[in-house]
Amino acid sequence: GQNIDQPTEMTATEGAIVQINCTYQTSGFNGLFWYQQHAGEAPTFLSYNVLDGLEEKGRFSSFLSRSKGYSYLLLKELQMKDSASYLCAVLDSNYQLIWGAGTKLIIKP
Amino acid sequence: GAVVSQHPSWVICKSGTSVKIECRSLDFQATTMFWYRQFPKQSLMLMATSNEGSKATYEQGVEKDKFLINHASLTLSTLTVTSAHPEDSSFYICSASGEGDHNEQFFGPGTRLTVL
Repeated sequence: GQNIDQPTEMTATEGAIVQINCTYQTSGFNGLFWYQQHAGEAPTFLSYNVLDGLEEKGRFSSFLSRSKGYSYLLLKELQMKDSASYLCAVLDSNYQLIWGAGTKLIIKP
Repeated sequence: GAVVSQHPSWVICKSGTSVKIECRSLDFQATTMFWYRQFPKQSLMLMATSNEGSKATYEQGVEKDKFLINHASLTLSTLTVTSAHPEDSSFYICSASGEGDHNEQFFGPGTRLTVL
């Protein structure tokens, strides 16, 4: 079966750095997405990785290792507004998006 | 660009009534639209995938006669919850793809449905 694992919840301090991991086992791979979802709102697109390596976009970076079935989202200089759920999703061989359950990130002052 | 709207934002209805939710891609043509349901503190659950002009593909366990999907144009898809019951109360979110370079989905703001 297809499976995406990410931690249920993480806590970090304002101004610090946090890394949210995601491991996946899917039938085929056509890219991995990270989305941010604030409580009561719809997800918003953060990043896309299809090749191995690190993609940096401002305070957020996303890393992919296809051989290990592993990705992480790195958030630097954390702000209170970064408190949200972060969803990892993989596009499988049928171009269907397989969603992880999300990681709730709590930022403390 | 890539803005998706959803209407209504929230709706309260009586058990047994039907509710229609609209999803529009405002500034791009969406080749594919998706309907999700999300219960509190749970992840997104894909209900169905629809392409313009063809029948929607429903996920296993989703009743196609209860959740009617119409994708009449490249910018509009509708979800009708027929004979709604309290257990249908949920957050319904649509998304659309066709604009991005990576098949990414752009999400509407969601519709919170409460069935009394």
